Amino acid sequence: GDQVKQSPSALSLQEGTNSALRCNFSIATTTVQWFLQNPRGSLMNLFYLVPGTKENGRLKSTFNSKESYSTLHIRDAQLEDSGTYFCAAEDDSGYNKLTFGKGTVLLVSP
Amino acid sequence: GPKVLQIPSHQIIDMGQMVTLNCDPVSNHLYFYWYKQILGQQMEFLVNFYNGKVMEKSKLFKDQFSVERPDGSYFTLKIQPTALEDSAVYFCASSLAAGDSQNTLYFGAGTRLSVL
Repeated sequence: GDQVKQSPSALSLQEGTNSALRCNFSIATTTVQWFLQNPRGSLMNLFYLVPGTKENGRLKSTFNSKESYSTLHIRDAQLEDSGTYFCAAEDDSGYNKLTFGKGTVLLVSP
Repeated sequence: GPKVLQIPSHQIIDMGQMVTLNCDPVSNHLYFYWYKQILGQQMEFLVNFYNGKVMEKSKLFKDQFSVERPDGSYFTLKIQPTALEDSAVYFCASSLAAGDSQNTLYFGAGTRLSVL
């Protein structure tokens, strides 16, 4: 099965609403990174997480290593938040090898 | 923010030919990576590279694949010979370090490889 399971696979939001994306890990995960891939394919790093929570503007992300999951909360969704969100788990090899989830396709509409 | 440049953005090649994908990583970064994304699927790790050596590679990194970064220039992925199943988008990434917060990966925009 998938070592990094992302949910939901797709999400539609209206502007101004809030939502949460989730990743569950079935591999030993030391850190988590979240990325946003825009329609042209470029990947932007959103968060690098050790166990704990980080916040950046309208985004907040948590990595719970004991329960093997991570969440990404989006507050007050904007049109430019549309794209595919990927979480990626780093294993304990120490060489920053990331295992990606299949992504959540987010569409924000007016 | 820091930028990783990939050249070309799209490459079309006949099966059996050789192809070299070029990556210009962030200037002070020390760790380099290639990931492969087949259309509609997740990114998959191919290889990471540090201090002139491959540190780890996945089963997707076939014998036909090789990487190098001669004299601090482009970090390259060479496929020789190419096969139809090599068609994908190849993403290069770099990081300052590994094992702490400095190992945030910065990705390029990808090179779409089409093998005919």
